[in-house]
Amino acid sequence: DVQLVESGGGLEQTGGSLRLSCAASGFIFSGFSMNWVRQAPGKGLEWISYIGASGSDISYADSVKGRFTISRDNVRNSLFLQMNSLRDEDTAVYYCARTGVTFFDHWGQGALVTVSS
Amino acid sequence: QSVLTQPPSASGTPGQRVTISCSGSSANVGGNPANWYQQFPGTAPKLLIHNNNQRPSGVPDRFSGSKAGTSASLAISGLQSEDEADYYCAAWDDSLGGWVFGGGTKVTVL
Repeated sequence: DVQLVESGGGLEQTGGSLRLSCAASGFIFSGFSMNWVRQAPGKGLEWISYIGASGSDISYADSVKGRFTISRDNVRNSLFLQMNSLRDEDTAVYYCARTGVTFFDHWGQGALVTVSS
Repeated sequence: QSVLTQPPSASGTPGQRVTISCSGSSANVGGNPANWYQQFPGTAPKLLIHNNNQRPSGVPDRFSGSKAGTSASLAISGLQSEDEADYYCAAWDDSLGGWVFGGGTKVTVL
């Protein structure tokens, strides 16, 4: 079975940094592009970043461009999100999600990131 | 403000049919497949409909999707109490170069 398990969430101060990880199993990780999607408390879903299967194709939502960096390790079957210059509005549950062509076919359980001054 | 527009709520009694709309533009729903996700409180979203009207394995056939122009719709036929959840539409946006979501619709079974 496909499994995606996020880790690395927690409480961080405004302006600080956090690194999220997503451990993948149950499929050939290097064959799929991956994404990060977040959900602020009581709000809807927001796509924030995409990385192609090889890691060479990357895109970001404007809300995180220049502050967040997505990366992957196809040997360790892991996806990462380095979050710098954190803002209060970055408080959210962060999900990693596998791309199934034009949709997200599998999601992790999510990691809560709380940013507070 | 979400790029795709959904009604914030919808409701029906058990057995009824409920329809949720998702309005976008030629850059997203009008030019790319629409997808729908179901989310229960405190849990991760789950893919419900992809490529406008395709159900993944395991999704009951009472869920159906359609698309016309720049709008997509999700229909739930034979509404059941276990269908109480939040539903989100999504599509790739050619102008933004990323995926966009609707604001979500909370379905209540009366």
